[in-house]
Amino acid sequence: DARVTQTPRHKVTEMGQEVTMRCQPILGHNTVFWYRQTMMQGLELLAYFRNRAPLDDSGMPKDRFSAEMPDATLATLKIQPSEPRDSAVYFCASGLRLPYNEQFFGPGTRLTVL
Amino acid sequence: AQSVTQPDIHITVSEGASLELRCNYSYGATPYLFWYVQSPGQGLQLLLKYFSGDTLVQGIKGFEAEFKRSQSSFNLRKPSVHWSDAAEYFCAVGATGGGSEKLVFGKGTKLTVNP
Repeated sequence: DARVTQTPRHKVTEMGQEVTMRCQPILGHNTVFWYRQTMMQGLELLAYFRNRAPLDDSGMPKDRFSAEMPDATLATLKIQPSEPRDSAVYFCASGLRLPYNEQFFGPGTRLTVL
Repeated sequence: AQSVTQPDIHITVSEGASLELRCNYSYGATPYLFWYVQSPGQGLQLLLKYFSGDTLVQGIKGFEAEFKRSQSSFNLRKPSVHWSDAAEYFCAVGATGGGSEKLVFGKGTKLTVNP
């Protein structure tokens, strides 16, 4: 049963610390997305990659957030330095031949910045 | 740019009752439309999608949705709700053409099912 995996599932950190979230997309999927979900803003697209190349990161605060795909099996989202307003659930999703096929979502990383 | 409005933040229905969740979109051309469901503590799962053709689409778990161009709507329906349908439901719109992999999501409708 192919799934998107994300680590860690939960992260509590203090303001100013670096946070790294990891995502393993489904093998063979060539498009990877990072979303952020909050009560106030809902689900927002932060960035996405196709064939490991960044296509759109306009949703991401550039001064503190960075997203990379070091290889086809790993996507990372870093926040440095973290702030309390970054507290949210961060989802990774992957897909192939989009938009005709489904985006498969991971279980999310719940980040709390104190 | 496309946008999605889900007017109902929270809906409560009794088990066995019918359900309709509303979704209105804003997009200049014919959009790609999706409904996703999110169970507590989980990621989103696709229920159904519309690209073209028959405006009534069937999805998983007994859900269906109807695309109405004149009303810019894509409402989700189920004739008889089960307790396991309690979840949050998201409507999403994708652009045709370049960048069409991206989806814009509505803020969601939380469904509570009473026994």
